[in-house]
Amino acid sequence: GAVVSQHPSRVICKSGTSVKIECRSLDFQATTMFWYRQFPKQSLMLMATSNEGSKATYEQGVEKDKFLINHASLTLSTLTVTSAHPEDSSFYICSAPTHGQGEVYGYTFGSGTRLTVV
Amino acid sequence: GNSVTQMEGPVTLSEEAFLTINCTYTATGYPSLFWYVQYPGEGLQLLLKATKADDKGSNKGFEATYRKETTSFHLEKGSVQVSDSAVYFCALSAGGTSYGKLTFGQGTILTVHP
Repeated sequence: GAVVSQHPSRVICKSGTSVKIECRSLDFQATTMFWYRQFPKQSLMLMATSNEGSKATYEQGVEKDKFLINHASLTLSTLTVTSAHPEDSSFYICSAPTHGQGEVYGYTFGSGTRLTVV
Repeated sequence: GNSVTQMEGPVTLSEEAFLTINCTYTATGYPSLFWYVQYPGEGLQLLLKATKADDKGSNKGFEATYRKETTSFHLEKGSVQVSDSAVYFCALSAGGTSYGKLTFGQGTILTVHP
């Protein structure tokens, strides 16, 4: 089945530095990638939607300059947290829509990245 | 806009007990409905889905029926196991051939004791 590989799984960085999270679709082409953020014991909140070859669409309240999204190819989307601060510590998850034969669509999730900013 | 409401958790059960996690939704048109499961420290895995009214999704002993009249998609399992301990999310997406974003419920933590 469709697999989205997300790296790194865990990262600890110093306040003020930038962190890049990668999501790769391994056996299908992901023209769209959704990026979610999850706080402890809470639900997933959509941050932005990236589309290959065009600018990402950000949800209301998400800082575009802080959370840089790049979707330069059909198999790779990246999220860069710039000038990270402790309040950016969270669990980040990517997801790509996929198509099954005879089915409308589904979604495949990456395994998530635990970001801790110290 | 679209919204999903799940029953408050956490839910604690003994092994082999019956499980119900309620989920109701608000949406325009004919959304597709999903249940996802998240094990500690991991991403989400699709548990089951239904794309039209009266469809029943099922997987690993879990099942849920798309009830348009009550706008519900309750998750059930007849006999839970310790390995079912996880967080369960109900979600919806716009139906049809477009792949819109998923709207998630708040999640329900399930703990199953031996």
